[in-house]
Amino acid sequence: SAVISQKPSRDICQRGTSLTIQCQVDSQVTMMFWYRQQPGQSLTLIATANQGSEATYESGFVIDKFPISRPNLTFSTLTVSNMSPEDSSIYLCSVERELNLKTQYFGPGTRLLVL
Amino acid sequence: SQELEQSPQSLIVQEGKNLTINCTSSKTLYGLYWYKQKYGEGLIFLMMLQKGGEEKSHEKITAKLDEKKQQSSLHITASQPSHAGIYLCGAPEGVKAAGNKLTFGGGTRVLVKP
Repeated sequence: SAVISQKPSRDICQRGTSLTIQCQVDSQVTMMFWYRQQPGQSLTLIATANQGSEATYESGFVIDKFPISRPNLTFSTLTVSNMSPEDSSIYLCSVERELNLKTQYFGPGTRLLVL
Repeated sequence: SQELEQSPQSLIVQEGKNLTINCTSSKTLYGLYWYKQKYGEGLIFLMMLQKGGEEKSHEKITAKLDEKKQQSSLHITASQPSHAGIYLCGAPEGVKAAGNKLTFGGGTRVLVKP
């Protein structure tokens, strides 16, 4: 498996502010993904982050709102900018790791509440 | 795009009873992941199926992928309170060597009554 940590684990923020979420992996990985899980909903992919290149965003997500950094093969950050209550969600990072089969492992998530 | 539908959306079972969750895809599956999520937490990888007819077991949890690779089931035998949580199926959208994003089903919320 993969050991993935996220910081912060949870936060309460005021609307209009920004929050940066960190994702740290215990070993080098090529692909890192950022997902959002809105209350009572399933997971939706925000973007794919490769080291050394711009993140690839899914439809409905833009870089100005969710800037992503991927400075090395073990670390990534996701910023939620100019937050509104609709951004209240769990944000999860995941990595792709191949053992016998290519498998995606998820971090513990960051619970964000925007007031 | 691929869509995954899970059923039931929620279920309550008596401790010791069996339960089954289904995940149906609108397209042929290139693989199928099962995850468990405790409320408000991250996803715990359970199993990954890739071949038609494949079946995998871990402890009291068995997952199957049908021959046509469009439906998977997750079966828990003799459920325990520790099995409570949200079960999610996820599927990659293609057969790329790397970087397959996952599409997820809506999740099944399981409650085990002692």
